[in-house]
Amino acid sequence: KAGVTQTPRYLIKTRGQQVTLSCSPISGHRSVSWYQQTPGQGLQFLFEYFSETQRNKGNFPGRFSGRQFSNSRSEMNVSTLELGDSALYLCASSFGLAGGTSRTQYFGPGTRLLVL
Amino acid sequence: AQSVTQLGSHVSVSEGALVLLRCNYSSSVPPYLFWYVQYPNQGLQLLLKYTTGATLVKGINGFEAEFKKSETSFHLTKPSAHMSDAAEYFCAVSGGNRDDKIIFGKGTRLHILP
Repeated sequence: KAGVTQTPRYLIKTRGQQVTLSCSPISGHRSVSWYQQTPGQGLQFLFEYFSETQRNKGNFPGRFSGRQFSNSRSEMNVSTLELGDSALYLCASSFGLAGGTSRTQYFGPGTRLLVL
Repeated sequence: AQSVTQLGSHVSVSEGALVLLRCNYSSSVPPYLFWYVQYPNQGLQLLLKYTTGATLVKGINGFEAEFKKSETSFHLTKPSAHMSDAAEYFCAVSGGNRDDKIIFGKGTRLHILP
């Protein structure tokens, strides 16, 4: 089975721009979660989608948004980029909802975003 | 609500020595606990998880962890370190509900000394 794929792998943007990142989950997985990873804050949960519905959301401003398509692929969008948005953005997929179950989350390699 | 504290952002051990990475958690409900490993330029990979049952959990690559409710700990160990174990390790906790988030610790970078 193919693993979780994320595109693009690297991205450079300037302040004020917007960016869209894409995540394709493992075939058959219906849950996609997004995380932001930075050296100072570690892994912070952004949101989780299950069957095209946002099921959970972390403490990020409204500039961060996401969606999930009927084929379970997910995108996240960050508008009006700030320098502090520079991070590795990780996507993880699982068969069912990620939290509170024994479902394993499978992570993609991440998209490294640099905001100048 | 759940939280995770990993003691030591960097840990160095000699090749062949015992690896011990510490994780303490806080949870208002019986927790599900996880350890993940991240190699450079890669995503996270699950090492092991505790949900219910046996408190000593064996994972991949010779790692194991023990759930100690009285100490609210879930420390990760490996009897003999290998150079290939150099990576960043994350402890994570979740509650028992389907909509619970998975909360990650800030990570411990493991260095293996030759």
